[in-house]
Amino acid sequence: EVQLVESGGGLVKPGGSLRLSCAASGFTFSSYSMNWVRQAPGKGLEWVSSISSSSSYIYYADSVKGRFTISRDNAKNSLYLQMNSLRAEDTAVYYCAKLDTAMVTWGQGTLVTVSS
Amino acid sequence: QSVLTQPPSVSAAPGQKVTISCSGSSSNIGNNYVSWYQQLPGTAPKLLIYENNKRPSGIPDRFSGSKSGTSATLGITGLQTGDEADYYCGTWDSSLSVWVFGGGTKLTVL
Repeated sequence: EVQLVESGGGLVKPGGSLRLSCAASGFTFSSYSMNWVRQAPGKGLEWVSSISSSSSYIYYADSVKGRFTISRDNAKNSLYLQMNSLRAEDTAVYYCAKLDTAMVTWGQGTLVTVSS
Repeated sequence: QSVLTQPPSVSAAPGQKVTISCSGSSSNIGNNYVSWYQQLPGTAPKLLIYENNKRPSGIPDRFSGSKSGTSATLGITGLQTGDEADYYCGTWDSSLSVWVFGGGTKLTVL
């Protein structure tokens, strides 16, 4: 069974940092691009970042460029999102998603709250 | 404001049919595959339609997708109360090099 499990969310002060992780199982992780997508409370889906299977191609939404860094460790079947200089507007549930021609599998999400 | 435009809400009675539109441009819908996602209350999104009109295993054929030019449509027939959810379209934008979603459509089954 394909499974994605996010972790690392929590409460952080504005300007602080947090590192999210996504553990993948049930598929050949190293063969697929991966994404982070977030959803602010009561709002729609917002794509955050994508990374190709070998990390050769990385893309970011303008809203996080320069502050967030996506990475992966294919040996550990894991995806990461390093979030720095966090702002109140970064408060959201963060999902990791396996990408083929669509986001075929989603994790359950991890909540990040940025508040003083 | 989302790059892809969806109606905020649609509604229909049980057993009826509903369509949800998704409008974009040549840099996104016009030249890339469209996918649709269902998000039931309090849960993670789930893939409903990929590559414009294909259904993943386990998705009933009551759900269908189509694309024409720079617009896409999700159709749901035989509506059930369990279909009440938020629905999102998504695709890659080749000009912006970003993945884009529609703003979401809330389906109410009256």
